[in-house]
Amino acid sequence: KAGVTQTPRYLIKTRGQQVTLSCSPISGHRSVSWYQQTPGQGLQFLFEYFSETQRNKGNFPGRFSGRQFSNSRSEMNVSTLELGDSALYLCASSWTGFGEAFFGQGTRLTVV
Amino acid sequence: GDSVTQMEGPVTLSEEAFLTINCTYTATGYPSLFWYVQYPGEGLQLLLKATKADDKGSNKGFEATYRKETTSFHLEKGSVQVSDSAVYFCALSEGTGGGADGLTFGKGTHLIIQP
Repeated sequence: KAGVTQTPRYLIKTRGQQVTLSCSPISGHRSVSWYQQTPGQGLQFLFEYFSETQRNKGNFPGRFSGRQFSNSRSEMNVSTLELGDSALYLCASSWTGFGEAFFGQGTRLTVV
Repeated sequence: GDSVTQMEGPVTLSEEAFLTINCTYTATGYPSLFWYVQYPGEGLQLLLKATKADDKGSNKGFEATYRKETTSFHLEKGSVQVSDSAVYFCALSEGTGGGADGLTFGKGTHLIIQP
């Protein structure tokens, strides 16, 4: 059974640009969550999608957005990139969105 | 809001030593509790979980017991190996309000096991 797949693994972007990250969940999982991991703030919840609907959102500015497709694949977008957006972005999938989550290897975003 | 507190480390131990990583939490309801592990360059892997008070989660020699009275979920292992070197995260999930609220993580504890 394939795990959670995130693409790309590494990205370098310039301040002011926008970026789109992709996440393919485990087959059959309908919930996809996104997290930002930084050395200073640790792991922070961005948002969660279930059956193409955003069910919950963390405390991030509107520059961070996401969506989920009918096949449960999800994308997150960050517009007008700032240096502070440099982080490891992790995607997690689960059956229902509650409790146990399976994480991908993450996308390492560097903003220069 | 919810929060998780754990020692950040690094925690350095010799092989075969006993391990305890403390974790305490604050939550409004009755959360599920988790320990995740992150190896270098990897995403997070679920190590163990407990969903109600007095439950004991266990996996790969690691154990943790859900203590509601002390709001704790300490991770223990009787004899650590070099391969256990990683960052360990304590987390909780409430999933209230009609939707998944996401996992709330502690800052992570960097564990280093020396041969």
